Amino acid sequence: DAGVTQSPTHLIKTRGQHVTLRCSPISGHKSVSWYQQVLGQGPQFIFQYYEKEERGRGNFPDRFSARQFPNYSSELNVNALLLGDSALYLCASSSRTGYNSPLHFGNGTRLTVT
Amino acid sequence: QKEVEQNSGPLSVPEGAIASLNCTYSDRGSQSFFWYRQYSGKSPELIMSIYSNGDKEDGRFTAQLNKASQYVSLLIRDSQPSDSATYLCAAYNDYKLSFGAGTTVTVRA
Repeated sequence: DAGVTQSPTHLIKTRGQHVTLRCSPISGHKSVSWYQQVLGQGPQFIFQYYEKEERGRGNFPDRFSARQFPNYSSELNVNALLLGDSALYLCASSSRTGYNSPLHFGNGTRLTVT
Repeated sequence: QKEVEQNSGPLSVPEGAIASLNCTYSDRGSQSFFWYRQYSGKSPELIMSIYSNGDKEDGRFTAQLNKASQYVSLLIRDSQPSDSATYLCAAYNDYKLSFGAGTTVTVRA
């Protein structure tokens, strides 16, 4: 079975631009989460979606938004890019929400903002 | 105070030895705990999950949880060069995982 797929794998943008990152969960998984990982740190939670509804949001500015589609795929949008947004953006899926539903990560999108 | 803290690395162990990784968490409401392995330039890969106090073994990996001490550990037995990676400890609470900064392990051949 295919794992979590993310696109694109790499992206270079200029400050002030907008970016859209895409994620397809593992087949049958209904929950998608987004994390940001900057070099040398652990991933930081951005959003969780389950059954197309936002279930949680991390401490990120309103420039970050996301949505989940009827087929459970998801998009992360970042407006007005800053240099500090340069990071590895990870999408993770799980079969359901809850403490006993581990997250499985995709290969990530590496975003560079110049 | 960070939600999840891991012992500072890097940790260098000889091939065949035991690598011991430690993690503490601050939120007593954390319900489950995970260890992820991350190779350089790659995404995190789930290697262990633990939900209740005690030990959990899976192959060469053993996770230990002590909720009273808010402590989680991971032992890697018979370490192999392929175990060289950064190990991330994560605690689950309220729909999200909180990660530590990771401990980098190098296994010397």
